[in-house]
Amino acid sequence: EVQLVESGGGLVQPGGSLRLSCTASGFALSKYWMHWVRQVPGKGLAWVSRISGDGSTTTYYADSVRGRFTISRDNAKNTVYLQMNSLRAEDTAVYYCTREYYAYSDHWGQGALVTVSS
Amino acid sequence: EIVLTQSPATLSLSPGERATLSCRASQSVTSSLAWYQQKPGQAPRLLIFDASKRATGIPARFSGSGSGTDFTLTISSLEPEDFAVYHCQQCSSFPTITFGQGTRLEIK
Repeated sequence: EVQLVESGGGLVQPGGSLRLSCTASGFALSKYWMHWVRQVPGKGLAWVSRISGDGSTTTYYADSVRGRFTISRDNAKNTVYLQMNSLRAEDTAVYYCTREYYAYSDHWGQGALVTVSS
Repeated sequence: EIVLTQSPATLSLSPGERATLSCRASQSVTSSLAWYQQKPGQAPRLLIFDASKRATGIPARFSGSGSGTDFTLTISSLEPEDFAVYHCQQCSSFPTITFGQGTRLEIK
């Protein structure tokens, strides 16, 4: 069974940093592109970032986070990361890790809540 | 950026009725569109991809249609478990992805 489990969420002050982890099981992580998608509670979904599955580690970012967020992966640990720096109040959201399937997301984690507030 | 507009924002129907949800793109996304279902407190679930293909395990009462800029998700006969929020997503503008704002399907 495919499972994605996010961790690392919490409360952080504006300007602070946080690293989210997504631990995968039930499939070969190295064979899949992976994404982070966020959702302000009660609002719509917003794509954040994606990373390739192979050794090239090609990455892409939404304009709103480029230069502040970094996606990475450790296939040996079956884990994808999202390092978030210079956090702003508008980054407050539930962050989902997803597995890519033909550019869509066929499996989602349960989400990690990030709250940016003083 | 390709903007997806979903309508209506809220749809009130009764079990057994037919639901028709719309997603309109600001420019053509060919058939690179998906629909997701999200229930309260849960992550989204992929229902439809490539505009009309059902994902694994999705009941036949869910169907998708459209291409270019206008897309429709149809639920032929609503079951109690179908009342949820539905999101559309486009993947045409690789490498970025955008979502619509969602349609809430509620029990009348």
